[in-house]
Amino acid sequence: GAGVSQSPRYKVAKRGQDVALRCDPISGHVSLFWYQQALGQGPEFLTYFQNEAQLDKSGLPSDRFFAERPEGSVSTLKIQRTQQEDSAVYLCASSVTLGRNEQYFGPGTRLTVT
Amino acid sequence: SQQGEEDPQALSIQEGENATMNCSYKTSINNLQWYRQNSGRGLVHLILIRSNEREKHSGRLRVTLDTSKKSSSLLITASRAADTASYFCATDETSGSRLTFGEGTQLTVNP
Repeated sequence: GAGVSQSPRYKVAKRGQDVALRCDPISGHVSLFWYQQALGQGPEFLTYFQNEAQLDKSGLPSDRFFAERPEGSVSTLKIQRTQQEDSAVYLCASSVTLGRNEQYFGPGTRLTVT
Repeated sequence: SQQGEEDPQALSIQEGENATMNCSYKTSINNLQWYRQNSGRGLVHLILIRSNEREKHSGRLRVTLDTSKKSSSLLITASRAADTASYFCATDETSGSRLTFGEGTQLTVNP
């Protein structure tokens, strides 16, 4: 079956622009996670949804970052007024349910802010 | 912030040799998982070990967990060039919650 997909795969934004990154999780997966991965580092948690409810957004680095999952399926991560330090790969992952924690990752969106 | 450290940061071996990577973490955990990431790609789940388990096998992979030392190791036996990738350990404090990743080990298997 289809895995987690993300779009766009690459995004170049000028500093100050707003960007929107999309994640399509595996159909039927209840949980959805966003992570940020800087070059040469492991992923760092940003936020987590169970269905449409955002249960944990403690990892969002600033109020310029906003995520939503209005119908409990597709999710969008929005970054307003991008800064150079926002340059990273943004990874989305989904998992079946709370009781199972194997997460299935998408290919990521590489954001470069110039 | 990262959960802990992985060592070595980089490992280069010949095809057929075994590769061992270590991971340390800081807090109490529910599960520990290992993931692989090929360059420019997403992470692929390899194996999960629960906090009450000490060892687990899956094909050529062997994972150990020592909760008293807050450490884990991943052994890949009879390595292949296709095993070249970055390997990350990840922990969660409750099942189904956020994962906290280590900094990863870059493994290169030379043909």
